[in-house]
Amino acid sequence: AQSVTQPDIHITVSEGASLELRCNYSYGATPYLFWYVQSPGQGLQLLLKYFSGDTLVQGIKGFEAEFKRSQSSFNLRKPSVHWSDAAEYFCAGRTAGGTSYGKLTFGQGTILTVHP
Amino acid sequence: DTEVTQTPKHLVMGMTNKKSLKCEQHMGHRAMYWYKQKAKKPPELMFVYSYEKLSINESVPSRFSPECPNSSLLNLHLHALQPEDSALYLCASSRNSGAEQYFGPGTRLTVT
Repeated sequence: AQSVTQPDIHITVSEGASLELRCNYSYGATPYLFWYVQSPGQGLQLLLKYFSGDTLVQGIKGFEAEFKRSQSSFNLRKPSVHWSDAAEYFCAGRTAGGTSYGKLTFGQGTILTVHP
Repeated sequence: DTEVTQTPKHLVMGMTNKKSLKCEQHMGHRAMYWYKQKAKKPPELMFVYSYEKLSINESVPSRFSPECPNSSLLNLHLHALQPEDSALYLCASSRNSGAEQYFGPGTRLTVT
């Protein structure tokens, strides 16, 4: 079955420190992958996407993610975290076609806390 | 512009009420989605519309009735809801059902 796993439920970092949020996927073929961020009570904002091509993807707000087929991973990184980055982060994937076309599978989310 | 708007922001309704949630986008997107999100959980897909036709219904109870009157507008009609239906309801849209999805701010629904 297709799945997206975020192993870390909660991560705490200090402001200015680097950040890496983990995401692993399980799909029959290479999926399309996304990272979203959600502040409490708000909608989801798309940070970046991977469809194909360059495996290092740049997104908004200084985030990047690297697709690693050998590790079935799509980890999100930021070199220096700001207090405003505190939120919940969701990794999501979907197949490129078929009857589930358009259906996103979300990971369980990782809550990021930033200490001053 | 990647804005999806949703109204109302908050809604409190009794179990016998009928209400509707509204979602609008003016990005020319031809796919629109309804998701339900419970606290501390990821969004769960409810419905997908592609070119104004319902293409995916994730076995949602009939007390939720979606409607897509045109390519910019998506409604979710609610009737005889249960308290466990209380959640954040998110609308999303994408250029087509293969493209990345953009989410609205959500409607916080409380069923009393």
